[in-house]
Amino acid sequence: DADVTQTPRNRITKTGKRIMLECSQTKGHDRMYWYRQDPGLGLRLIYYSFDVKDINKGEISDGYSVSRQAQAKFSLSLESAIPNQTALYFCATSDLGGGETQYFGPGTRLLVL
Amino acid sequence: AQSVTQPDIHITVSEGASLELRCNYSYGATPYLFWYVQSPGQGLQLLLKYFSGDTLVQGIKGFEAEFKRSQSSFNLRKPSVHWSDAAEYFCAAVNLNRDDKIIFGKGTRLHILP
Repeated sequence: DADVTQTPRNRITKTGKRIMLECSQTKGHDRMYWYRQDPGLGLRLIYYSFDVKDINKGEISDGYSVSRQAQAKFSLSLESAIPNQTALYFCATSDLGGGETQYFGPGTRLLVL
Repeated sequence: AQSVTQPDIHITVSEGASLELRCNYSYGATPYLFWYVQSPGQGLQLLLKYFSGDTLVQGIKGFEAEFKRSQSSFNLRKPSVHWSDAAEYFCAAVNLNRDDKIIFGKGTRLHILP
């Protein structure tokens, strides 16, 4: 079984809809991250959490929110989806004790019409 | 500001040829350095990492990278590429002296000619 799972893997939604992307991990890591990937722009950090009570904005947090429900779960919400949020979204985990090596989920491909 | 630069957006090499992907970083002190690979339709997978010690680091799939402090570089190499190496490659860095988050380069897409 994968250490970092993301659901759904693919999602099509309409402008204005609220959607949630979920991430779960079995690695026991404290740190979790949400990135979006767009062609030519690499990975951009949306939000990150260094433990259950710690939530931080990344470089592109506008239009997104997150919830760290437990050490193993970190959800990303788009409150009112817009077309330029069409992208590939990745969740990742890391452990400071492991030198910040990041472990990625398989990604969620989101299309906002 | 801290940054990671991958100067080449695309690189094309023939199967069996050698490969070098460039990565430069800008940090106040030597960060921890990583190379990740993303195959089509998949998430990122760690190839190798450098924390300290020997400046030539061996990774998975026959890749290696050399840390050069004088050039602020951490270039990825492979002596002979295979068609399955076609993917996107990301260099990344993090400063573990502070509570910093990792910074990724924008990636280099590798194309392999048969």
